[in-house]
Amino acid sequence: GAGVSQSPRYKVAKRGQDVALRCDPISGHVSLFWYQQALGQGPEFLTYFQNEAQLDKSGLPSDRFFAERPEGSVSTLKIQRTQQEDSAVYLCASSPGTSAPNTDTQYFGPGTRLTVL
Amino acid sequence: GENVEQHPSTLSVQEGDSAVIKCTYSDSASNYFPWYKQELGKGPQLIIDIRSNVGEKKDQRIAVTLNKTAKHFSLHITETQPEDSAVYFCAAPAPNDYKLSFGAGTTVTVRA
Repeated sequence: GAGVSQSPRYKVAKRGQDVALRCDPISGHVSLFWYQQALGQGPEFLTYFQNEAQLDKSGLPSDRFFAERPEGSVSTLKIQRTQQEDSAVYLCASSPGTSAPNTDTQYFGPGTRLTVL
Repeated sequence: GENVEQHPSTLSVQEGDSAVIKCTYSDSASNYFPWYKQELGKGPQLIIDIRSNVGEKKDQRIAVTLNKTAKHFSLHITETQPEDSAVYFCAAPAPNDYKLSFGAGTTVTVRA
């Protein structure tokens, strides 16, 4: 079956531009996560959705970052007025369960590589 | 949240030899420890995980061991092959949290 897909795979933005990154999770997965991965580092948590509810946005670095999942499936991460420090790979992951701690496998998409010039 | 530290950052092994990666975590109540493999240009993929009610788990050439007293867990890859070359991440969720905290990663290179 289809895994997690993300688009675009690569995005180049000029400093100050707004960008929108899309995630299509595995069908039926209730939980959806966004992570940011800097070069040579492990993924860092940004935000978590359970269906359409954003339960945790503690990892969003600033109010320029905004995420939504209006119908409980596809999610969009938006970054306003991009800065050079936003350059990273943005990973989306989904999992079927809703437990805390989340011991369900998180299935990752291929990521969107954002480069801000 | 959980604080996960991973060592070494790079590991080069001869094909056929074993590779071992170690991680430590901070919260003694953590009870789930996955390992992910990330190949160039791809997202992390789960390769094995362990829960705190067992001390070791094996799946063909890979195994994970857990020492809850010392708060560390390790990934063991035996009979390494060129396709094992990748970046490996350990992770753990905080006990009452949804998100995973990842280690910084280990770049494994298998020399032919």
